[in-house]
Amino acid sequence: SAVISQKPSRDICQRGTSLTIQCQVDSQVTMMFWYRQQPGQSLTLIATANQGSEATYESGFVIDKFPISRPNLTFSTLTVSNMSPEDSSIYLCSVEEGQGRDNEQFFGPGTRLTVL
Amino acid sequence: AQSVTQPDIHITVSEGASLELRCNYSYGATPYLFWYVQSPGQGLQLLLKYFSGDTLVQGIKGFEAEFKRSQSSFNLRKPSVHWSDAAEYFCAVAPAGGYNKLIFGAGTRLAVHP
Repeated sequence: SAVISQKPSRDICQRGTSLTIQCQVDSQVTMMFWYRQQPGQSLTLIATANQGSEATYESGFVIDKFPISRPNLTFSTLTVSNMSPEDSSIYLCSVEEGQGRDNEQFFGPGTRLTVL
Repeated sequence: AQSVTQPDIHITVSEGASLELRCNYSYGATPYLFWYVQSPGQGLQLLLKYFSGDTLVQGIKGFEAEFKRSQSSFNLRKPSVHWSDAAEYFCAVAPAGGYNKLIFGAGTRLAVHP
């Protein structure tokens, strides 16, 4: 199974600044996903990031606010731009591995972001 | 629109008691169904999944879930809860044929009394 690490694990940021979150996987994967988990709520998919193509954003999320890079098959970054307190959340990356019934999505430990 | 409902926000059980966490989904066709667990400070871990076939699915840590098409439900069960099971549990769906775009329920937080 894929092992995923995220940096930073947590951060406290000032309003109006930006933070870039890194996601590193120990194997090559085609599809990577970024989720947001707002306090006390469930996970919401932000975007899907495939290597070599533009990220695909879900309704309510835009590239200007959450730019994503996917330079290779083991790494991705998510930037939270021009932050406001409403951006305080846990941000998780995940990867898809396997085929058919063995297909599974593995999640990183998350980045806990607090915006003051 | 696709959705997942977990009616119970918090559940408290005594150690050794049985557990059932409810999950209902709204989807046009039978989706892929999943249960994940999130322990404090940790990422999500897959407990079990249903793609097709036998409607009773066995997972890790002694958990099982039963898919009931007539009720659009996929409830998670464990016959005897351990203190280490205290965590948040998420039910999720994905369109059949693809793992993309997992849709998560709101989660159920489980507390276990000694």
